[in-house]
Amino acid sequence: KAGVTQTPRYLIKTRGQQVTLSCSPISGHRSVSWYQQTPGQGLQFLFEYFSETQRNKGNFPGRFSGRQFSNSRSEMNVSTLELGDSALYLCASRSGTPPYEQYFGPGTRLTVT
Amino acid sequence: GIQVEQSPPDLILQEGANSTLRCNFSDSVNNLQWFHQNPWGQLINLFYIPSGTKQNGRLSATTVATERYSLLYISSSQTTDSGVYFCAVERNTDKLIFGTGTRLQVFP
Repeated sequence: KAGVTQTPRYLIKTRGQQVTLSCSPISGHRSVSWYQQTPGQGLQFLFEYFSETQRNKGNFPGRFSGRQFSNSRSEMNVSTLELGDSALYLCASRSGTPPYEQYFGPGTRLTVT
Repeated sequence: GIQVEQSPPDLILQEGANSTLRCNFSDSVNNLQWFHQNPWGQLINLFYIPSGTKQNGRLSATTVATERYSLLYISSSQTTDSGVYFCAVERNTDKLIFGTGTRLQVFP
């Protein structure tokens, strides 16, 4: 089975712009979660989507949003980028039935200048 | 919320040595996973171990849920074991809460 894929792998944006990141889960997985990793804050949960519905949301400003499509692929969007949004964005998927193990993609490294 | 503490924060070993990484968590959990983050940033699944003991080659893990800790054992370490090891816990399939990691460096 193919793993979780994320595109693009690297991205450089300017402050004030917006960005869209994409994640394709493992085939058959209906849950997709997004995490942000920074040197200062570590790995933090952004949100989770299950069957096209946001099920959980972390403590991030409204500039961070996401969605999930009927094929379980997910996108996250960050509007009005700030320098502090520079991070590694990781996507994870799981099936939605036990065991609830999460599998991560390779990540998108976003640099905001 | 649940707090996850990992120790030690840094570990330097010579190839062939054994090590034990610890993860303490502050509340009962339904899910506990160990990951190895490679130099390119990807989190590689090592164990899904909410309780009990599992082994996979040179690696093994034990979670004592009633005492709220988990241990990851690495035997006969190799340079390819270098990287950051994360413990992450979850309550009620909510969200993974990560520890701050243990940075392992293995020298030949």
